[in-house]
Amino acid sequence: QVRLQESGPGLVKPSETLSLTCTVSGVSISSYYWSWIRQPPGKGLEWIGYIYYGGNTKYNSSLKSRVTMLVDTSKKQFSLKVNSVTAADTAVYYCARLVVGAAGGSFDFWGQGTPVTVSS
Amino acid sequence: EIVLTQSPGTLSLSPGERATLSCRASQSVSSNYLAWYQQKPGQAPRLLIYGASRRATGIPDRFSGSGSGTDFTLTISRLEPEDFAVYYCQQYGSSPLITFGQGTRLEI
Repeated sequence: QVRLQESGPGLVKPSETLSLTCTVSGVSISSYYWSWIRQPPGKGLEWIGYIYYGGNTKYNSSLKSRVTMLVDTSKKQFSLKVNSVTAADTAVYYCARLVVGAAGGSFDFWGQGTPVTVSS
Repeated sequence: EIVLTQSPGTLSLSPGERATLSCRASQSVSSNYLAWYQQKPGQAPRLLIYGASRRATGIPDRFSGSGSGTDFTLTISRLEPEDFAVYYCQQYGSSPLITFGQGTRLEI
């Protein structure tokens, strides 16, 4: 079955860079869009951006200047970097598969989420 | 920028009752590209409905979606104990490309 697993540090210092990786199993990473979504404690969901297996990216304009996504098809992984983090970046970070088609775009498979705290 | 507003913020019902959740967009949602998710505490969201009315794989038929343009509804025909959770709507296509509503908490 399709599985996504996030990994990375759970604690990041203010002004530093948050780095997470999502490992995909059970499905080819090709021909799909792969996304990051975050959820601050007790709050709703915020889409961060997506990367296509070919490397094309689209970021939420609210974070665009600080976000970089990369994909490594050989390892079946995609990654997220958010630089210059502040306490406002504290959240559970999810990776998810974005399916885009005739019925629009929706996230059909999600990782379990990884909590990231920004604190000194 | 499109904003999705969900109502009510909290809905208190009992098992066996019918739940009606609303998602209103500040502008028309592109081609009814609207999805609904269920999230339980400590878990990732689960896709319920996509394309406004299409059930995702494995979703029971007590869940149904409807609506078009700016007004969308998720209906749970007969609530089961496992249905009490937070529900989010999400649009695709309008700027910004993807946005979520703020959520409706369905509680017993």
